[in-house]
Amino acid sequence: NAGVTQTPKFQVLKTGQSMTLQCAQDMNHEYMSWYRQDPGMGLRLIHYSVGAGITDQGEVPNGYNVSRSTTEDFPLRLLSAAPSQTSVYFCASSYSRAGWQSGELFFGEGSRLTVL
Amino acid sequence: GQQVMQIPQYQHVQEGEDFTTYCNSSTTLSNIQWYKQRPGGHPVFLIQLVKSGEVKKQKRLTFQFGEAKKNSSLHITATQTTDVGTYFCAGRSGGYQKVTFGIGTKLQVIP
Repeated sequence: NAGVTQTPKFQVLKTGQSMTLQCAQDMNHEYMSWYRQDPGMGLRLIHYSVGAGITDQGEVPNGYNVSRSTTEDFPLRLLSAAPSQTSVYFCASSYSRAGWQSGELFFGEGSRLTVL
Repeated sequence: GQQVMQIPQYQHVQEGEDFTTYCNSSTTLSNIQWYKQRPGGHPVFLIQLVKSGEVKKQKRLTFQFGEAKKNSSLHITATQTTDVGTYFCAGRSGGYQKVTFGIGTKLQVIP
């Protein structure tokens, strides 16, 4: 099993450009999420999904779009990149069911994005 | 919304000394998880605590969940250079959807 796969690992964009960060998992996890990690800020939740066709906003959703057409894939779209979106992005998935039972998060290796 | 505070943000210890990081939540948690991130790496799951007052051990690491399920701690006994990294707590409350991370404690171990 590959686990959680993120592409690309590195990307440099110019302000105003758009791009998509890809995330795929092969563990049949219902729950998938995107975090950004900035120095001194920890991991902040951008968007998450509890299953195909269902997405919701996290703490810092502005400037990002997501969709979940399949269980395996959860792409993150930047429609018009800004320097404030320079960060390391992590995709994470877990096996979860409603209620308090929840599983560990499996993280991808991260995507380092620089917006000039 | 839910907030998870974690202290300290940085800790330098001499190899062999003990280390503790603390998490406090603004709301009662359903469970709390702990993760370790090595420099340049991604967070890796260490453990999950679910029950009030729960204590779990993994070799030199001891994890505690408070009686009110609003705070937690990770204690490392006799640190080693392999313990270097950032330790995050992550809490869930209410439904299972959102996982909120603490800011992390970056541990440096001086040989």
